[in-house]
Amino acid sequence: GAVVSQHPSWVICKSGTSVKIECRSLDFQATTMFWYRQFPKQSLMLMATSNEGSKATYEQGVEKDKFLINHASLTLSTLTVTSAHPEDSSFYICSASWTSGIYNEQFFGPGTRLTVL
Amino acid sequence: LAKTTQPISMDSYEGQEVNITCSHNNIATNDYITWYQQFPSQGPRFIIQGYKTKVTNEVASLFIPADRKSSTLSLPRVSLSDTAVYYCLVVGGNNAGNMLTFGGGTRLMVKP
Repeated sequence: GAVVSQHPSWVICKSGTSVKIECRSLDFQATTMFWYRQFPKQSLMLMATSNEGSKATYEQGVEKDKFLINHASLTLSTLTVTSAHPEDSSFYICSASWTSGIYNEQFFGPGTRLTVL
Repeated sequence: LAKTTQPISMDSYEGQEVNITCSHNNIATNDYITWYQQFPSQGPRFIIQGYKTKVTNEVASLFIPADRKSSTLSLPRVSLSDTAVYYCLVVGGNNAGNMLTFGGGTRLMVKP
């Protein structure tokens, strides 16, 4: 089956620093990857759609200059949280679509827990 | 994208069958109904998908009435490890962006 990994699985940083999260599709090529954010006890919120070789598409209310997304290859997308603040502390999850016979099935990474002090 | 409504939470006991219903009154002709499962601090995992009538796999069954305005995820003989949040999603057949929109989900607690 399709596997998506994320690195790191958790990170703690000081306020004002930048943090990069990697999302990799391990055994398939993903033209499109998605980044979600999830606060405790809440649902997943789509932040942006990452397209290989082009600019990401951000959802309304998501600051593109704060959450930098780069999809440099068909197996790697990165999310950089710039000048992180405590309110950015959250669980960040990426996903990728893979044609598996299930319509629009997405495979999710294990998530990255970001804590900003 | 069709909005979905599910119960916020449900409790069950080991060995029981659990049925979680989702309403999606505005589902479009080309939409599919998909269910995901999420354990704490993990990414969601695909469970099952259907368009109409009944779909069954090794994990669950999905019942969809003729009007498709609702669906029911059925988990047979749940165990403690089935404690998770279950999300019902309507996936647009003509959605070029392939994005998924998650609703609130149903938090299932399985008790011994």
